[in-house]
Amino acid sequence: DVKVTQSSRYLVKRTGEKVFLECVQDMDHENMFWYRQDPGLGLRLIYFSYDVKMKEKGDIPEGYSVSREKKERFSLILESASTNQTSMYLCASIGTLQPKVQFFGPGTRLTVL
Amino acid sequence: GNSVTQMEGPVTLSEEAFLTINCTYTATGYPSLFWYVQYPGEGLQLLLKATKADDKGSNKGFEATYRKETTSFHLEKGSVQVSDSAVYFCALSENRDDKIIFGKGTRLHILP
Repeated sequence: DVKVTQSSRYLVKRTGEKVFLECVQDMDHENMFWYRQDPGLGLRLIYFSYDVKMKEKGDIPEGYSVSREKKERFSLILESASTNQTSMYLCASIGTLQPKVQFFGPGTRLTVL
Repeated sequence: GNSVTQMEGPVTLSEEAFLTINCTYTATGYPSLFWYVQYPGEGLQLLLKATKADDKGSNKGFEATYRKETTSFHLEKGSVQVSDSAVYFCALSENRDDKIIFGKGTRLHILP
């Protein structure tokens, strides 16, 4: 089975801190995604990556950056955390067989104080 | 653009009741359709999928039929259990890229 892991389940940070959220997948998937999930808004795509060192903005990239130095690892970076970035963050990777199914990690619930 | 609309929750039912969660979509091509489920404290996982018109996806007693004429993919289960309490997301993929468009989710509460 595909396994997508995220470095933390719960994280509490202070406004202005730099925050790293790590995601690792073990199925050699090329494409990986970062979403945030908020009540009433569903999942919103922040960034995605088609390959190592490749990245593209999603629907809400402001205030975030990403890093993909190795195929299995996709990091989300909050350069200067703000309270409006308090949310659940979900990482996903996608398989190669059609229809392409996204496999999700367990999520990181980030609170910015 | 492409979009997915699903019924707002929360939906509260008694155990063994019949469940329907409505989902309609807008797409320019011929998308694949999915239902994902998110149990408390977990990430999303695929529940079922359908790739073309009239396909029926099924899993764990849940079913959904791809209806092109009504652009719908409603989720149904004949007899729900307390363990089905979760958030359910309808989603589509155009298959041209790897992006998936999600509905906003429907929270389901099943009472014993």
